[in-house]
Parts: sequence; C-alpha cells; structure tokens
Amino acid sequence: NSKVIQTPRYLVKGQGQKAKMRCIPEKGHPVVFWYQQNKNNEFKFLINFQNQEVLQQIDMTEKRFSAECPSNSPCSLEIQSSEAGDSALYLCASSWDRWEQYFGPGTRLTVL
Amino acid sequence: GDSVTQTEGLVTLTKGLPVMLNCTYQTTYSPFLFWYVQHLNEAPKLLLKSSTDNKRTEHQGFYATLHKSSSSFHLQKSSVQLSDSALYFCASFNVGDNSKLIWGLGTSLVVNP
Repeated sequence: NSKVIQTPRYLVKGQGQKAKMRCIPEKGHPVVFWYQQNKNNEFKFLINFQNQEVLQQIDMTEKRFSAECPSNSPCSLEIQSSEAGDSALYLCASSWDRWEQYFGPGTRLTVL
Repeated sequence: GDSVTQTEGLVTLTKGLPVMLNCTYQTTYSPFLFWYVQHLNEAPKLLLKSSTDNKRTEHQGFYATLHKSSSSFHLQKSSVQLSDSALYFCASFNVGDNSKLIWGLGTSLVVNP
C-alpha cells in the first residue's frame, strides 16, 4: 500500500484566492510527481521533481502554479489565483525510479 | 505525439465472467506499460507493469501481456468479482522521455451480482 501523504484532503477556495496543498512522498523516494485529475477522470501531468530539482513542467504550471520540494519538508503545489477550471483532484505520486509511481489519496479542490 | 488509447469507456459484466480491457499505445521510444486501478474516492494503485515482449505479468488475478508487434497491453481476468468494480487506467512510461506517465482515458468496470 502507498504511503504517500497528501493534505488537506479537501480544499474550497473562491476565485482569485490562493490554494496550497502538500505532499509527503514515500520514504526514500527521490522523485515526486503532481497530476491533475478532472471530473472526467482525465489525468494531466503538472510537474515533477527529482530531489529538489524540477525535471519537467507544463506551461500552465509555469504561469499560475508554483511548486517546490524542499529537503526535509513536504512538497507543495500552490495555485496563485484559483480559477473555476482548477477544480479537480490533485494527485501526488512518488517513485524510486520514475517508472513505478505510488499515489497519495489526493487533494480535492473546489473553486467556487 | 505519444499516446495511450483505451477503447472502452464503460464495461458492464456479471460476476464470474471473464473480462478484457483494451490498451494500445503509440510511443516514440520503447515504453513500459502499466495498469492502475482506482476505486471510488481512492488513489490510483499500481496493478500491473509490463515485462519483456510477449511475456505475461500477473497480479491479484489480473494479467496482461505486452505485445510490441501490435502495440498492445490488454488487461484480462478470468472471473471478475464485485470488488473489481473500479476505474482502470493504462499508462505508458516512455524511456526516451523519462519523466512522466502518459495516461489513457480510463475504463470504468462495473460488475453486477
């Protein structure tokens, strides 16, 4: 069973507000991924890290999202100014080798 | 671009029957294929990962064989149970772009009594 921890499980924000969520990867996993799963269950890759360094991120993440994975602290994903279209399940996954990814329970964001 | 295709959006079966969920892929480089299962309000869980070409992999009664000749990695089970009702996602990890999974759109499996 996955031991990835995500908080909070539910997050409700108004449009324009900041939304921040956290992830503690499985112990020893150096790679962390963030995905967005929309109401149609489609996955969108957002960003990933190896240790504290960004490996890859999509344009949307560069512009409105900020993410970090500091050493000895939880990883975080923050939406600077929430939009209705950001309402989704945000999934964090960690991996030892980038291939096998283990997911946390997700943070369900609702933007009113 | 690289893609993973799952042709069935919804599969409905009666308990005890066999099932096959289709997955085909298109990738630039040699991929690794995965099946994830997501029960309602839960995280996706890794169910199966591909091995070498034409070799079957099995876990929890599910099995799949990577066929590079047909770019497929179909998921099968010989006798479905009520607890198998869930979303099933096929995903590929492209060794040449070794940073993210490419996901199919998922297949919802509903098993009736």
